[in-house]
Amino acid sequence: GQQLNQSPQSMFIQEGEDVSMNCTSSSIFNTWLWYKQEPGEGPVLLIALYKAGELTSNGRLTAQFGITRKDSFLNISASIPSDVGIYFCAGQRSNNDMRFGAGTRLTVKP
Amino acid sequence: KAGVTQTPRYLIKTRGQQVTLSCSPISGHRSVSWYQQTPGQGLQFLFEYFSETQRNKGNFPGRFSGRQFSNSRSEMNVSTLELGDSALYLCASSPRGTNTGELFFGEGSRLTVL
Repeated sequence: GQQLNQSPQSMFIQEGEDVSMNCTSSSIFNTWLWYKQEPGEGPVLLIALYKAGELTSNGRLTAQFGITRKDSFLNISASIPSDVGIYFCAGQRSNNDMRFGAGTRLTVKP
Repeated sequence: KAGVTQTPRYLIKTRGQQVTLSCSPISGHRSVSWYQQTPGQGLQFLFEYFSETQRNKGNFPGRFSGRQFSNSRSEMNVSTLELGDSALYLCASSPRGTNTGELFFGEGSRLTVL
């Protein structure tokens, strides 16, 4: 089963709206990452976070590494149709053990 | 630079058979890891190889095995297939091992077990 609690499971939004999703865990992670997967493809890395409290942007995407090291969030501003896909959070421990969230399925209506 | 290549992309097997999947990492990447993706369980880590050695292993039965060759290409094998093994098997490569967590995924091999 999943070791990371990712929410929401799915989102249906209008083009231009902002999106927020998050991931929580009962365990501490050294690295938090966010990936996006489109149909028929493998996940693609969007943002990697290495330090508690770190806030990192990649274009319209912003992600933060929670101060407790047990959570992370991803924001997408001014969504566009090509943002459609499944977004996964991933946490990595010091022993390289990596866990993934169940994913947030994003649908953007033009 | 070519991405991670997985073959075959699709395959159908029957229960009890065995299957071998192949992964060619990005040139220069020495770490290859394998993941199983299913709707119910999501992405689950199978194992990771670095310089031909298995460095990490997930919580899967011994029917799941893998290896890495000197050119960093990797194969995974599943023996005595069960219906529940139907999944998308993803391979990911990384330049420095999974220490940074930055993985480059292939498109996957979709296995259906009948």
